[in-house]
Amino acid sequence: AQSVTQLGSHVSVSEGALVLLRCNYSSSVPPYLFWYVQYPNQGLQLLLKYTSAATLVKGINGFEAEFKKSETSFHLTKPSAHMSDAAEYFCAVSTMGRRALTFGSGTRLQVQP
Amino acid sequence: GAGVSQTPSNKVTEKGKYVELRCDPISGHTALYWYRQSLGQGPEFLIYFQGTGAADDSGLPNDRFFAVRPEGSVSTLKIQRTERGDSAVYLCASSPSAGDEQFFGPGTRLTVL
Repeated sequence: AQSVTQLGSHVSVSEGALVLLRCNYSSSVPPYLFWYVQYPNQGLQLLLKYTSAATLVKGINGFEAEFKKSETSFHLTKPSAHMSDAAEYFCAVSTMGRRALTFGSGTRLQVQP
Repeated sequence: GAGVSQTPSNKVTEKGKYVELRCDPISGHTALYWYRQSLGQGPEFLIYFQGTGAADDSGLPNDRFFAVRPEGSVSTLKIQRTERGDSAVYLCASSPSAGDEQFFGPGTRLTVL
């Protein structure tokens, strides 16, 4: 079985500051890892995914994440926050044997002017 | 092109009633997933179809929940004898095939009074 832990249900940063959203996973087999963003009253949108190629993954809107097997982590970063980044962010894991996504509980990002 | 659509967008029902939620996947996508998202939580997997058959229904909480996809396109999630605890947003996602990126619909908000 796989699981995802997102540390920090709420994160607040100033506009222009570094964004760091933490995700740790548990999986007994090689994982596929994802970050999704959910804006208010909208559906989930894929930001980026790791599927066993490069460990540093670049996504949309300037976000990136690094897969660290030794730390079982897949933290999401963005060098400079923008007001439009305010949303709920979900980390998720799947595997070759279990295609369905297992999501973390989410982190709500607030960006202060 | 058209994304995943879900109808209705909102459904209010009374405890004990039967409800059906519909999902129209992206044309040509063979894999279809149902998730449930309770307030303040990440989405939880319910069931996934590859073509017409349920490839994994391990997330269905009990036998009041059932889903079909008779022609390998549109899917219907059926809930019998609804309970207040069934209140949540029900999300549908589709992908070109199992393991590919999942594209999410906007969800159906179910409220059981």
